[in-house]
Amino acid sequence: DAGITQSPRHKVTETGTPVTLRCHQTENHRYMYWYRQDPGHGLRLIHYSYGVKDTDKGEVSDGYSVSRSKTEDFLLTLESATSSQTSVYFCAIKGADQYNEQFFGPGTRLTVL
Amino acid sequence: KQEVTQIPAALSVPEGENLVLNCSFTDSAIYNLQWFRQDPGKGLTSLLLIQSSQREQTSGRLNASLDKSSGRSTLYIAASQPGDSATYLCAPPSAGNNRKLIWGLGTSLAVNP
Repeated sequence: DAGITQSPRHKVTETGTPVTLRCHQTENHRYMYWYRQDPGHGLRLIHYSYGVKDTDKGEVSDGYSVSRSKTEDFLLTLESATSSQTSVYFCAIKGADQYNEQFFGPGTRLTVL
Repeated sequence: KQEVTQIPAALSVPEGENLVLNCSFTDSAIYNLQWFRQDPGKGLTSLLLIQSSQREQTSGRLNASLDKSSGRSTLYIAASQPGDSATYLCAPPSAGNNRKLIWGLGTSLAVNP
């Protein structure tokens, strides 16, 4: 157990509403990641963070923003949800050493109607 | 740009068989490569992290090898069991940025009793 929780685990929302997903870790890892997983696409990186207030874009960042004000929390926000953002969202963590493994949270299933 | 291919895409075998799952990547300048398992509807579980200085890494019935020069990694599963049924993913780091992982689409394994 890598000490990662995600909330909520399931969410149904309507197009145009804002949505925030939370990732929480208990092990003080430097790196945190948000991915989405869709059939036929595999895992795609949305944003990642390499420290408090330090974030960078992944390959599918359009329509998403992130914030990391504390080491333990990494928030993913959909400012105005669209149906194309219906997906399963995974958070992951990694230590600072280049040899560290990534560990994943349980995922959040988001449906945008 | 790092690209990952996993072959076969799907595999169905009877219980007890020894299996080899293949992963190919295009950028061989990597520090390590990680193998994951994903059960249907679940998150990802890290199985093995093999460093570039290692040729093999073992955990129980699993053995991962890494050949950087040829851009290949294999995951060997000995004496397969129905509980091994899952999707297996390999993930080397991104070219020039080992903070990020690049993902294949995985091999979907079914082990039949």
